[in-house]
Amino acid sequence: DGGITQSPKYLFRKEGQNVTLSCEQNLNHDAMYWYRQDPGQGLRLIYYSQIVNDFQKGDIAEGYSVSREKKESFPLTVTSAQKNPTAFYLCASSTDRGPYEQYFGPGTRLTVT
Amino acid sequence: GQSLEQPSEVTAVEGAIVQINCTYQTSGFYGLSWYQQHDGGAPTFLSYNALDGLEETGRFSSFLSRSDSYGYLLLQELQMKDSASYFCAVRNQGGKLIFGQGTELSVKP
Repeated sequence: DGGITQSPKYLFRKEGQNVTLSCEQNLNHDAMYWYRQDPGQGLRLIYYSQIVNDFQKGDIAEGYSVSREKKESFPLTVTSAQKNPTAFYLCASSTDRGPYEQYFGPGTRLTVT
Repeated sequence: GQSLEQPSEVTAVEGAIVQINCTYQTSGFYGLSWYQQHDGGAPTFLSYNALDGLEETGRFSSFLSRSDSYGYLLLQELQMKDSASYFCAVRNQGGKLIFGQGTELSVKP
């Protein structure tokens, strides 16, 4: 079955620690994205990558970092510089052909105390 | 700036028709998408309009007017399982999506 996996589903960390969220896809998509969703809000783009070894900042990149060493994988690191890291993090991938549907993983709910 | 406006909440009864509007103001526009998200779940794709007009997919239809920077999602024959949040999203340069804040649809029996 093709799809996107994110792990873990729930993650708890202490303030001041970096944490890396996993995102893997076997859909053979070139483009991958990381979003943050806060309660009752829309999705905000953190980083995106259109091809291996290349990525761009989204609207709220400060305090986050990513890598794209393999087509299948796009891990996100939430650093201690992120002022308010507690949120629901969603990873997505898409093709570059219409209707440009983005396929989402199940998400990781990060709580930092 | 870039902004998408959609109602925060809509309530309807089972079997009814509901329309969720979306107006947008963005730098660059390639198309308007709609996504559904059940509580705590992942968003799933519903539709995409790149050109003006109506696109129909089963009980769901989506409309776009580029000249008015406006679109809507029409849900017919509402079912309880349609209770969810619905997001409009503008497709921008580089394939990026800019999402609205979402409309929470409650379907009552």
